[in-house]
Amino acid sequence: DIQMTQSPSAMSASVGDRVTITCRASQGISNYLAWFQQKPGKVPKRLIYASSSLQSGVPSRFSGSGSGTEFTLTISGLQPEDFATYYCLQHNSYPYTFGQGTKLEIK
Amino acid sequence: QVQLVQSGAEVKKPGASVKVSCKASEYTFTDYYMHWVRQAPGQGLEWMGRIHPNSGGTNYAQMFQGRVTMTRDTSISTAYMELSGLISDDTAVYYCATVLPTVMPWGQGTLVTVSS
Repeated sequence: DIQMTQSPSAMSASVGDRVTITCRASQGISNYLAWFQQKPGKVPKRLIYASSSLQSGVPSRFSGSGSGTEFTLTISGLQPEDFATYYCLQHNSYPYTFGQGTKLEIK
Repeated sequence: QVQLVQSGAEVKKPGASVKVSCKASEYTFTDYYMHWVRQAPGQGLEWMGRIHPNSGGTNYAQMFQGRVTMTRDTSISTAYMELSGLISDDTAVYYCATVLPTVMPWGQGTLVTVSS
């Protein structure tokens, strides 16, 4: 199975900050990576697909990059509604695997 | 709009089975895989497997092999996930999700509680 190592597992930041979350795959997955946001008690929401494509309706302050084994999600100019947990998902090969999540909290 | 509507919460005893349904609407059900993902309380997301509604072909995560069965009824655009041999660690919210060309809708989730 491909392991997705996400870091950090938790972080605190302030409104307006720029934050970066990283996912590292245990083997190459090309660009078969998506990023999700989940708020407490809510359904996950896809933000980014194919590593860097922004899901329609998602604010442009969210961006993704990477290919192969290293991927990043960047939020430029944090907004209050961005405090949530973020997950990466590889869908290059079975079983699909999620990162363990990054909880983004308000500083 | 595209919607996935899941069946209601379940409480099961250890050793029992549970079958969760996921009814799709406003898109061609048979054209896109249906995935199942679960989330234990306070934990992360876990991909369980997928089914192609047209062929019925499935791929399951190894950790669920032998315990999970994914099926579908194309006449009512509904996918099912059945998990057998339930243990307390199977207590989780179970989601269905599908990947369409422009969106990735999820069901609202079904809480399955395993308790004696």
